[in-house]
Amino acid sequence: GAVVSQHPSWVICKSGTSVKIECRSLDFQATTMFWYRQFPKQSLMLMATSNEGSKATYEQGVEKDKFLINHASLTLSTLTVTSAHPEDSSFYICSATDIYTEAFFGQGTRLTVV
Amino acid sequence: RKEVEQDPGPFNVPEGATVAFNCTYSNSASQSFFWYRQDCRKEPKLLMSVYSSGNEDGRFTAQLNRASQYISLLIRDSKLSDSATYLCVVNNPTGGGNKLTFGTGTQLKVEL
Repeated sequence: GAVVSQHPSWVICKSGTSVKIECRSLDFQATTMFWYRQFPKQSLMLMATSNEGSKATYEQGVEKDKFLINHASLTLSTLTVTSAHPEDSSFYICSATDIYTEAFFGQGTRLTVV
Repeated sequence: RKEVEQDPGPFNVPEGATVAFNCTYSNSASQSFFWYRQDCRKEPKLLMSVYSSGNEDGRFTAQLNRASQYISLLIRDSKLSDSATYLCVVNNPTGGGNKLTFGTGTQLKVEL
């Protein structure tokens, strides 16, 4: 199947710093990329949907100024957690799809803010 | 009402058992449906798509009932390795693309 590469796999950062997570579709053009967050023992929660070349659509309750999403090309989307705080510690997963096909997931990024 | 609802479980079953999960969705315009499997601390992986006519892949059978807006997954002859969380996923195309909505997942534990 198609491959989506996400990195870093894990990151530990100090409170107040910003962290950038990259998501790349390696062998297909992803018209849509999704960013999810998953807290322990909870399901994936969609944070935002981004279509290449346009602004991301954020889900209710997700601060767009805190979670900056850039989807500048059909193969790359980035999520930047700005001014991270301990409550932002979570497992962040991206997925990529072209219309009508399954979504392929990145490996996820475990963020710990200390 | 949640867009996609699943019984969280956990379902504890003995090896060799047959187990079924259901999932309901609220948007009648939803167009495509999937079951994903997620192992602990890993990313979800596609188990199978769900087609209107029903489809089978080895020990796994998926069914879709559009009239009642529910999807099911049946696992026959369960193995220890089937222990995981099974996520029901519904795709609702939007103006700009797709929107995948995940259920909370149903946890399955297969025991000796």
